[in-house]
Amino acid sequence: QVQLQESGPGLVKPSETLSLICTVSDGSISSYYWSWIRQPPGEGLEWIGNIYYSGSTNYNPSLKSRVTISLDTSKNQFSLKLSSVTAADTAVYYCARQYSNIWYNWFDPWGQGTLVTVSS
Amino acid sequence: DIQMTQSPSSLSASIGDRVTITCRASQSISSYLNWYQQKPGKAPKLLIYAASTLQSGVPSRFSASGSGTDFTLTISSLQPEDFAAYYCQQSYSTLYTFGQGTKLEIK
Repeated sequence: QVQLQESGPGLVKPSETLSLICTVSDGSISSYYWSWIRQPPGEGLEWIGNIYYSGSTNYNPSLKSRVTISLDTSKNQFSLKLSSVTAADTAVYYCARQYSNIWYNWFDPWGQGTLVTVSS
Repeated sequence: DIQMTQSPSSLSASIGDRVTITCRASQSISSYLNWYQQKPGKAPKLLIYAASTLQSGVPSRFSASGSGTDFTLTISSLQPEDFAAYYCQQSYSTLYTFGQGTKLEIK
């Protein structure tokens, strides 16, 4: 059963870059789409973007100018960088596999999530 | 963007009750609709995909239906472990969007 685990700093200063890594275990990253999703405290879920195992990416237009998602197949990891952060970027950040059959896709499984706080 | 609107935003119910949560899309999304359950401090867990297909391991008291713009998630007989937040999510557009969530609380 594939498992995902987020890691990275829990505190980032305003205007700096948030960097997180998602490590995939008990399964290969060399297939599927892999997504980042965030959830501000007490709020709903926002899809940030994804990366295909080939390296192609899709981003939420609302964040596109600040987001970079990349893949390291040798380490079975993918990463998120979000630049020029503000307090509005404070959230729990989740990584998730995008599983699909021929027609449909869904997020499963998810990592446990990591809280990133933007504060000086 | 495809907007997903859930109702109600919160719901109080008792053990054994039958409850229904509604999700409406701002445009037709066929059956490209998924449901997740989220307990406090935990990641969302997939319950239903493709509008009505129960994910493996999910209890059969959960069911869902709908297509186009209107969808429902039903829990036939509430159990203590079902009190959580529930989110719908559309996968019709590659700009994936979620409903705002429905918080199911114990009455």
